[in-house]
Amino acid sequence: GQNIDQPTEMTATEGAIVQINCTYQTSGFNGLFWYQQHAGEAPTFLSYNVLDGLEEKGRFSSFLSRSKGYSYLLLKELQMKDSASYLCAVRDRLGAAGNKLTFGGGTRVLVKP
Amino acid sequence: SAVISQKPSRDICQRGTSLTIQCQVDSQVTMMFWYRQQPGQSLTLIATANQGSEATYESGFVIDKFPISRPNLTFSTLTVSNMSPEDSSIYLCSVDSPGNFGYTFGSGTRLTVV
Repeated sequence: GQNIDQPTEMTATEGAIVQINCTYQTSGFNGLFWYQQHAGEAPTFLSYNVLDGLEEKGRFSSFLSRSKGYSYLLLKELQMKDSASYLCAVRDRLGAAGNKLTFGGGTRVLVKP
Repeated sequence: SAVISQKPSRDICQRGTSLTIQCQVDSQVTMMFWYRQQPGQSLTLIATANQGSEATYESGFVIDKFPISRPNLTFSTLTVSNMSPEDSSIYLCSVDSPGNFGYTFGSGTRLTVV
């Protein structure tokens, strides 16, 4: 099975930086995703890591260490609109059956003025 | 990435009845996924639906309660059977978009059982 852990809630100030950590245990690792979800909406794709290292995409960066089962999402220059839940999700390879995506519990980020 | 049309967007149902949720994808996909998101919670995978074979259910979910159809490579349905208030949740379908653009989600079905 899988175990994906991330903090429940974080608060930060507009313009600041926040780092959301995610640890995971899985058997057939085939990539890690970060999603953003605003209340009442479907999740939207933010980033993808399958190799170790940092992926940067504008104000958002994501890091992966496969040996440590660890990832983080870094949000820079926080804006009020960044207040949302951030979901860490791990893709497992199911052999010939394809892949399966499993989500962590999500981290609710509140950006204050 | 793929575009998914999911309906209904919301419904209020009486306990003991069933609701069927539909997802239509604008391209052919091998696997479709059904998730549940309970209030204030993250997404929990219900089952994986392959065309031409029975769906694979996750622990805690059974076919009698959540029957799934996958008649072709662009369409799937999830039925929530014999509903109770505990089934009140958002149900989402998803597909794995090519090119590592991440999984694409339908807009969700907000179900309230009274």
